[in-house]
Amino acid sequence: EVQLVQSGAEVKKPGESLRISCKGSGYSFTSYWISWVRQMPGKGLEWMGRIDPSDSYTNYSPSFQGHVTISADKSISTAFLQWSTLKASDTAMYYCAADSGYYHYWGQGTLVTVSS
Amino acid sequence: QSALTQPASVSGSPGQSITISCTGTSSDVGSYNLVSWYQQHPGKAPKLMIYEGSKRPSGVSNRFSGSKSGNTASLTISGLQAEDEADYYCCSYAGSSTFVFGTGTKVTVL
Repeated sequence: EVQLVQSGAEVKKPGESLRISCKGSGYSFTSYWISWVRQMPGKGLEWMGRIDPSDSYTNYSPSFQGHVTISADKSISTAFLQWSTLKASDTAMYYCAADSGYYHYWGQGTLVTVSS
Repeated sequence: QSALTQPASVSGSPGQSITISCTGTSSDVGSYNLVSWYQQHPGKAPKLMIYEGSKRPSGVSNRFSGSKSGNTASLTISGLQAEDEADYYCCSYAGSSTFVFGTGTKVTVL
């Protein structure tokens, strides 16, 4: 069974850095790209970017390029989403999803709260 | 890269059919047969309902169907049931290995 398990909820202050994770199991981790999706409180889904775990090739939405970094470590079947300087506007639920041109498998989501 | 346009809300009575539209451009919906649809209940992760425009994953009711005409994709739910009340999002490939989601539609079962 394909599973994506994300790291737990985070509470951070503006200006802090953060890395959240998404661990795949039940399949060959390099078989699917991993995409990250943001959902701000009470709002819709936003595609942030994707990574090919086989070679760590990444693509970003223009809206998120330069604001976040997507990475992966195939040796531990884990993808990451990181921020170097968090803002209050980064408060949201973040989902990872196994990407084959569509998203059949999703993580449970990681809630990131940024507040002073 | 703008979000695809969906109606904010659609409603119907049990047993009725409803259709949710998803309007993009010739750079996304109109150019690729890679539109997918997702159902999201409150507090839950999205669930794939339709992929590649009209294909249904195993386990998804055949009451859900997808289609596309030009720059607009559509999701039809027939025989509306109370459990179908949720938010629905379309998603399309937008070229250059990027994707874009729709604005989302809240479906209410009256």
